[in-house]
Amino acid sequence: AQSVTQLGSHVSVSEGALVLLRCNYSSSVPPYLFWYVQYPNQGLQLLLKYTTGATLVKGINGFEAEFKKSETSFHLTKPSAHMSDAAEYFCAVKPTSGSRLTFGEGTQLTVNP
Amino acid sequence: GAGVSQTPSNKVTEKGKYVELRCDPISGHTALYWYRQSLGQGPEFLIYFQGTGAADDSGLPNDRFFAVRPEGSVSTLKIQRTERGDSAVYLCASSLINNEQFFGPGTRLTVL
Repeated sequence: AQSVTQLGSHVSVSEGALVLLRCNYSSSVPPYLFWYVQYPNQGLQLLLKYTTGATLVKGINGFEAEFKKSETSFHLTKPSAHMSDAAEYFCAVKPTSGSRLTFGEGTQLTVNP
Repeated sequence: GAGVSQTPSNKVTEKGKYVELRCDPISGHTALYWYRQSLGQGPEFLIYFQGTGAADDSGLPNDRFFAVRPEGSVSTLKIQRTERGDSAVYLCASSLINNEQFFGPGTRLTVL
């Protein structure tokens, strides 16, 4: 069975500061990896994904994530936080041969002026 | 184009009642998924349809939960004898086969 751990249910940063949201997964084989963002009363929106190839993946809104197989991690970063980045972020995994997504518990990002 | 839509956006019901939640996927998407998101948690998989058939229903918590997709498009999630613990946001997603899942805004179910 696969599982996802997001360290820190709440992260607070200042506007312009680095954003780092942590995600570790447990899987017998490396899965496909995803980061989703959820704004209040909206559906989940895909930020970025890793399937194969380059381990540093760039997504929308200036976010990127790096797949590190040896650390079973897929941490999300953004060099400079904007107020509009305040939202809940979910890391998810999917088996390479399956369809269901398994999500972490989410990290609420607050951006302070 | 239109995204995934879900109706109603909010549903309040009493314990023991029956509810139906509807999902309209993106046109042409053959795969449809239901997830449940409890307060403070990440979404949890319930069921996955490929066309009209349920390809994986292993996430349904018990036999009070049932979902259909009779024509391979719209899907309905049905919950019998609702319990307070069923209160959650029910999310629907659709995709092309083995492709990105696009999520709807969800239905917030409250069981009193």
